[in-house]
Amino acid sequence: KQEVTQIPAALSVPEGENLVLNCSFTDSAIYNLQWFRQDPGKGLTSLLLIQSSQREQTSGRLNASLDKSSGRSTLYIAASQPGDSATYLCAGSNQAGTALIFGKGTTLSVSS
Amino acid sequence: NAGVTQTPKFQVLKTGQSMTLQCAQDMNHNSMYWYRQDPGMGLRLIYYSASEGTTDKGEVPNGYNVSRLNKREFSLRLESAAPSQTSVYFCASSEAGSGYGYTFGSGTRLTVV
Repeated sequence: KQEVTQIPAALSVPEGENLVLNCSFTDSAIYNLQWFRQDPGKGLTSLLLIQSSQREQTSGRLNASLDKSSGRSTLYIAASQPGDSATYLCAGSNQAGTALIFGKGTTLSVSS
Repeated sequence: NAGVTQTPKFQVLKTGQSMTLQCAQDMNHNSMYWYRQDPGMGLRLIYYSASEGTTDKGEVPNGYNVSRLNKREFSLRLESAAPSQTSVYFCASSEAGSGYGYTFGSGTRLTVV
């Protein structure tokens, strides 16, 4: 059974720091990898999608990479801002696209 | 851009009552999903519908039923609510196949007393 682990579970940093969130899979047969942001009491906002043929995606200050051989993904946030404070979730889908398996998330707090 | 719309946003039920959570998407996606999110457990798949007319069980289907009413709508029904079903429920949709990302609704916060 596929399991997704996100490390750390919580992270507090001062504004301006660069940071890395980690995600690992027990089964490296992940087809796509998607990173989401969730604000307290809100839904999930998609940040980045890494498709099967890709190794990384970038959007603004965010960069996500996927190493299928090791079953690991990282989300890099550059020059963090207080507005980045949220819970970040990674999720992987199998080839059939029938299931998106989630990690439990990393809760990020950026102080000004 | 409506995306995925869920109703209601909040609901309080008494144990044993029934209710249906509604979900509609306007992106012409083939696949739709119901997840529940609980503290410390993350998001878990309840049911999914790969295409109109099909539904399949996910990780935690017990106590729930679903209906894929048409391509746009996918409902989740609790026949006899239990306190263990207190949770936040999210509906999602995606294009068929795994090359596409998922879009989520804003959630329904359900409390069963």
